Amino acid sequence: EVQLVESGGVVVQPGGSLRLSCAASGFIFDDYIMHWVRQPPGKGLEWISLISWDSSITYYADSVKGRFTISRDNSKNSLYLQMNSLRTEDTALYYCAKGFLSTYIDYWGQGTLVTVSS
Amino acid sequence: EIVMTQSPATLSVSPGERATLSCRASQSVSSSLAWYQQKPGQAPRLLIYGASTKATGIPARFSGSGSGTEFTLTISSLQSEDFAVYYCQQYNNWPPLTFGGGTKVEIK
Repeated sequence: EVQLVESGGVVVQPGGSLRLSCAASGFIFDDYIMHWVRQPPGKGLEWISLISWDSSITYYADSVKGRFTISRDNSKNSLYLQMNSLRTEDTALYYCAKGFLSTYIDYWGQGTLVTVSS
Repeated sequence: EIVMTQSPATLSVSPGERATLSCRASQSVSSSLAWYQQKPGQAPRLLIYGASTKATGIPARFSGSGSGTEFTLTISSLQSEDFAVYYCQQYNNWPPLTFGGGTKVEIK
């Protein structure tokens, strides 16, 4: 059974930094693209980043480019999101998600809540 | 960036009735379209990929159709567990992967 468990979400002040983690199990982690997707409270889904199986390719949404960094450690079956220069509009539930080949997302974690507030 | 537009924003349907949800892409995405279901307090779940292929374990009452820029998700006979928010997402031209704004299916 595929499991994705996010952690690291907290309340942080504007301008602060945070690192989210995602522990993956139930599949061969280093075979798959991984994503981060976020959802502000009461709103829709926004894709924010992906990383290839070997970390050679990373992409970001314009809204986070230059501030967020995605990474992975295949030896630990873990995905990360380093978030810097946080803004109030970054407040959201952050989901770790598994990609199917280079296409859609087939599994989602339960999310970790990041609140940016003074 | 491909913009995905879903309609209606809210759909009120009685249990047992048919629900038809629409998703439009700002340019062709071929058949590279997925549908997700999200219930309150839960993560999204993959329903449909390739515009019309059901994911593992998805009931037969769910079906997807369309290609190019116009897509439809149909729930043939709504069950109580189907009341949720549904999102479409294109994966033909990325980055970025883009989602529609969602359609909330509520009990009439």
